[in-house]
Amino acid sequence: AQTIHQWPVAEIKAVGSPLSLGCTIKGKSSPNLYWYWQATGGTLQQLFYSITVGQVESVVQLNLSASRPKDDQFILSTEKLLLSHSGFYLCAWRGTGRNSGNTLYFGEGSRLIVV
Amino acid sequence: AQSVTQPDARVTVSEGASLQLRCKYSYSGTPYLFWYVQYQRQGLQLLLKYYSGDPVVQGVNGFEAEFSKSDSSFHLRKASVHWSDSAVYFCAASMCGGYKVVFGSGTRLLVSP
Repeated sequence: AQTIHQWPVAEIKAVGSPLSLGCTIKGKSSPNLYWYWQATGGTLQQLFYSITVGQVESVVQLNLSASRPKDDQFILSTEKLLLSHSGFYLCAWRGTGRNSGNTLYFGEGSRLIVV
Repeated sequence: AQSVTQPDARVTVSEGASLQLRCKYSYSGTPYLFWYVQYQRQGLQLLLKYYSGDPVVQGVNGFEAEFSKSDSSFHLRKASVHWSDSAVYFCAASMCGGYKVVFGSGTRLLVSP
């Protein structure tokens, strides 16, 4: 069975400080991976997706970047945090083919508070 | 542009009552359609999905949804809600072969005793 793990669970960071959020998926080879951002009480905004190692496509940047250094790892980062970066960050892998129906499977999320 | 609309930001129902959460989509073809649930401070969990076939699809925990092509809708239903169903429910859509998955704004469900 596939498992997806995000780290850290929560962070409180200062404006202008760097950030790195991680996501690891096990049990699925060459997964399509996604990063979503959710403002408090809000909808999900797709940020990035990656279909293979070293390849990342941006949907909405929000002064963030993403990298895929390994097949099972997806990293979200920025060198300088803004107050507007606060929220809930969700990583997901996407099933392919008719059986999985292009379904997104989410991790537990990382909560970020920028002060 | 592709979009998903959930017109009801909040819904309150009594425990044991029936439930319908509304979802409308705007796509040029028939997309994959999903309902997810998000409990407090957690990730999203899949309730059910639809692509083709029987327009009524069954999901987990007694939830079902009905696809209507004529109405461009995918409404979620449950015959009898439980207090543990209180959560935020998201409708989502994506096109086959596409990489963008669009979510609605969510509906917060409160089940009162």
